Amino acid sequence: EAGVAQSPRYKIIEKRQSVAFWCNPISGHATLYWYQQILGQGPKLLIQFQNNGVVDDSQLPKDRFSAERLKGVDSTLKIQPAKLEDSAVYLCASSPGTVGGNTIYFGEGSWLTVV
Amino acid sequence: GQQVMQIPQYQHVQEGEDFTTYCNSSTTLSNIQWYKQRPGGHPVFLIQLVKSGEVKKQKRLTFQFGEAKKNSSLHITATQTTDVGTYFCAGNFGNEKLTFGTGTRLTIIP
Repeated sequence: EAGVAQSPRYKIIEKRQSVAFWCNPISGHATLYWYQQILGQGPKLLIQFQNNGVVDDSQLPKDRFSAERLKGVDSTLKIQPAKLEDSAVYLCASSPGTVGGNTIYFGEGSWLTVV
Repeated sequence: GQQVMQIPQYQHVQEGEDFTTYCNSSTTLSNIQWYKQRPGGHPVFLIQLVKSGEVKKQKRLTFQFGEAKKNSSLHITATQTTDVGTYFCAGNFGNEKLTFGTGTRLTIIP
């Protein structure tokens, strides 16, 4: 079974530029998550989709971050304009259903450095 | 707010020694999951605990969920170099959202 695919793996941009990350979840998984992991910290949930609807985006900085999940499959996370504090690993994850009884499977992550 | 705290933040042990990390929440959890993240890698699911007082074992790893469902622990017996990484607990407060702890970074001295 193929895992969660993410691209690009690494990105370096200057502050105020924009960046987009792409995620393809495990086939058949209804729930897709974007987490932000700053070095030395635990993953922080940015947004959670159930199929193509948003379940939780309470920690998404909506003035600069946006995410969409087209047709309930792939997802993109965009940051515009980027700030230095956005330097982190952006982890996409998926699960068959909601968190209650399901394992979350993480992708390898997209490493963002903002200079 | 709903937070999950972990201690210690770092742990250095001699190979063969035991290791324990603790996870605490101020409010009751519906369930708790544990993940391992190798250096430079992504979190990988280890186990989920649901019932009050539940104990589960995976080879040298023992996971416990407190009676009040507010705390949990992971104990590794006789650590090996392959155990290196950061161990995260992640709590579900019943809102279908996982809140990750701060993690315990384990390093092994050969």
